[in-house]
Amino acid sequence: AQSVTQLDSHVSVSEGTPVLLRCNYSSSYSPSLFWYVQHPNKGLQLLLKYTSAATLVKGINGFEAEFKKSETSFHLTKPSAHMSDAAEYFCVVSEALRSNTGKLIFGQGTTLQVKP
Amino acid sequence: DTGVSQDPRHKITKRGQNVTFRCDPISEHNRLYWYRQTLGQGPEFLTYFQNEAQLEKSRLLSDRFSAERPKGSFSTLEIQRTEQGDSAMYLCASSLPGLATDTQYFGPGTRLTVL
Repeated sequence: AQSVTQLDSHVSVSEGTPVLLRCNYSSSYSPSLFWYVQHPNKGLQLLLKYTSAATLVKGINGFEAEFKKSETSFHLTKPSAHMSDAAEYFCVVSEALRSNTGKLIFGQGTTLQVKP
Repeated sequence: DTGVSQDPRHKITKRGQNVTFRCDPISEHNRLYWYRQTLGQGPEFLTYFQNEAQLEKSRLLSDRFSAERPKGSFSTLEIQRTEQGDSAMYLCASSLPGLATDTQYFGPGTRLTVL
């Protein structure tokens, strides 16, 4: 079965410093991987996705993630945190190749706190 | 606004009552998903529609839960005889009729509180 593990439930950074949110995945198939962000009282928004093209994926708001098959990782990074980045972040794997439904399997989430 | 919409945004009900939620997907999106998110957890898949056909249901979807998508447009999720454990955010998402890996766009959710 496919799954994702987010290695940190809470990450705190200072504004202007780099962000690293860690995610490991488990998949029997070539995975499709996503990062979604959820701001308080707002819907889930796609940050970026990997679907077997370039291993370094650039997303919105300066975020990027690198797919590393040898490490089964898909960590999310940003060079410089902004106060508006404070939110809940979810690493997600899709079962599209296994079942063709495209259902998403979410990690437990990482809360990003940005201090002034 | 042409995003996914859900109604109501909040629902408070007493245990044992029935509730129904509605989801309106983005126009021309034939794939529609329901997820449930409890406090402090990531969303969990409940069910999937392709047009009007319900093609997959999670084991999380007990007999008290039923979902429909008549005419392949909006969808409803009904919970009968609600229990306190049903308290959660219910999320709807839709995507284009192309690849299953196409981006899923999420609605704002319906927060259910069962007293």
